[in-house]
Amino acid sequence: QVHLVESGGGVVQPGGTLRLSCVGSGFAFSSFGIHWVRQAPGKGLEWVAIVTKDGKNEDYADSVKGRFIISRDNFKNTVDLQMSGLRHDDTAVYYCARVNTGSDPRYGTDVWGQGTTVTVSS
Amino acid sequence: DIQMTQSPSSVSASVGDRIIITCRASQDVKTWLAWYQQRPGKAPQLLIYAASTLQSGVPSRFSGSGFGTDFTLTITRLQPEDFATYYCHQANSFPHTFGGGTKVEIK
Repeated sequence: QVHLVESGGGVVQPGGTLRLSCVGSGFAFSSFGIHWVRQAPGKGLEWVAIVTKDGKNEDYADSVKGRFIISRDNFKNTVDLQMSGLRHDDTAVYYCARVNTGSDPRYGTDVWGQGTTVTVSS
Repeated sequence: DIQMTQSPSSVSASVGDRIIITCRASQDVKTWLAWYQQRPGKAPQLLIYAASTLQSGVPSRFSGSGFGTDFTLTITRLQPEDFATYYCHQANSFPHTFGGGTKVEIK
């Protein structure tokens, strides 16, 4: 079965750092771009970042640009989200999601993980 | 950034009803619009991509239409499992953006 599983969430103080990880299984991981999408408590979905299937290109939401870095290791089937300079408004459930069809992000996201919770609080 | 505006923000309906959710983009996104369903406490699930293509395994009572800036998601013969929140997602250009969501509640 196709799965994405996130980990690494937790409670962190404002200004702190956290590294989230997303592990894929049941599919050819290196053939798919991966997004991170977040959802603040009681709020809607917010796109965060994307990395291409080969890891050579990425893009970010303005709200996280310069603070978050997305990367991948296709040998380990993982995509990481390194988060620094965390703020209260980064508090959210963070989902990783697979690019539908593999490499063209215009086709949406067809597989999502269960999410990992990040809480930024002093 | 492209702003996505969904309406209504919530709708009350009964089993068997037909509902229509609209999504308007602040700029032309061509056909690159997806729809997702999210049940409480769960991850979103892809329903429709490229505005009108039904994702594999999604019931045919879901359909999408539109191009450019105006899109609709139609659910015919509403079923109990369809009571959830629905989001549109523009995937035409980065940064990708989502609509604010439409909560479908039981009347």
